[in-house]
This record gives sequence, C-alpha cells and structure tokens, in this order.
Amino acid sequence: DGGITQSPKYLFRKEGQNVTLSCEQNLNHDAMYWYRQDPGQGLRLIYYSQIVNDFQKGDIAEGYSVSREKKESFPLTVTSAQKNPTAFYLCASSFDTNTGELFFGEGSRLTVL
Amino acid sequence: QKEVEQDPGPLSVPEGAIVSLNCTYSNSAFQYFMWYRQYSRKGPELLMYTYSSGNKEDGRFTAQVDKSSKYISLFIRDSQPSDSATYLCAMFLGGYSSASKIIFGSGTRLSIRP
Repeated sequence: DGGITQSPKYLFRKEGQNVTLSCEQNLNHDAMYWYRQDPGQGLRLIYYSQIVNDFQKGDIAEGYSVSREKKESFPLTVTSAQKNPTAFYLCASSFDTNTGELFFGEGSRLTVL
Repeated sequence: QKEVEQDPGPLSVPEGAIVSLNCTYSNSAFQYFMWYRQYSRKGPELLMYTYSSGNKEDGRFTAQVDKSSKYISLFIRDSQPSDSATYLCAMFLGGYSSASKIIFGSGTRLSIRP
C-alpha cells in the first residue's frame, strides 16, 4: 500500500539532546513537508522540499534541520537549539507544491523531559 | 488577527444530526479551500478540496465557499459516530509553489453521540 511512514510514533528526549524523526514515502511524490501541531494552533510549516537535494525553510525553521538525499526520505532533526520542542510532528507529501492535496503520515509525538 | 479562524469546539451532536463546521479568513486572495479530517493521534486526511466559490458535494459531505463573506463551511448529513474527529480547514493562494503557503485553521473537535 502506498503511503507515508513516520517513526518513531512516540519519542522522549532529555534537554540538550538532538533527535531525528524519520519520514519515508512510497507515493513517488516530489514534494515533502514537515509540520508541527500544537494544541489550539493550526499546523505550522517547519521545512519543505520540492525536489531531491533541495529544501526551504518554512515559518518556524529555527532549531530544526532536514535533508533530502533521496526522493523517498525526508528526515527531520530537532536540535537542542529548539526552545520548545515538545509537540506532535507531521510529515506530508504531495505530487508537487502547486496542490493543496497533502498526504500525511501518522505523526511522531516528541516529549522533552 | 489570525489569517484563518476556526472555532475549536468541542462540538457534540446526536447521531443522525446535520453538522455545520465553519472557518473565516482574512486574505481575499485565497483561491483553494480544503477540509481535512484528523482522528485522534493520527495524521490529517483530505476530505474535501474546492476551488473558488460555490458548493461541492461528496456523499454525506458538502463543502461551501462564500468568498464575498470570506467564510467556508463543511456540512455533514446523517452524522455517524465514525465522523467523530477533529476537522481542519485549510486554504492557499494557488500558483507555483503555493502549497508551501497553506494556512490551516486550528481545528474543530466534533463528537457524535450514538
């Protein structure tokens, strides 16, 4: 079945540690995105990538980093510089960046202890 | 003022009722309007996708866009307990690379009582 796989589903981190969230898609989509979801707020874009080896900052990129070495994969690293990293992180993909039809993974919940 | 406003709810209705979910927005240039459904602890899934003004129907769901009032609605007929979820409205301008500028509402939690 085609879709987006995020792992891990739940992650606990101590302050000062970097963590990497995995996102893999087999939809053959060019565009991939990372969003952050907090209670009472809409999804906020962290980074997006239109094509392999290219990515752009979204609205809240500070404290995060990404790579796009393969079309299928778009991992997100939450660095120790991110001041408030506890959140629900969603990876999405789309055929291209001209459509609002996003396909989301099931999310990764990160809790900083 | 937020670009997109959505009542967070929660909204609780009996099974079989008609549900109306709404969003208002401030940017008159938005052209594309979406509704996503998100079950608890899952990722959102696209439910309805409309362009410009008017109505779009898909089974028990109807999406309505009123650009003159900057107001969009999602109607659910014959609501079922399986419709219990958070509904997110979303919109963007359209055009090259504009999906990176999708603005999401904060979501309305809906509960359908059996």
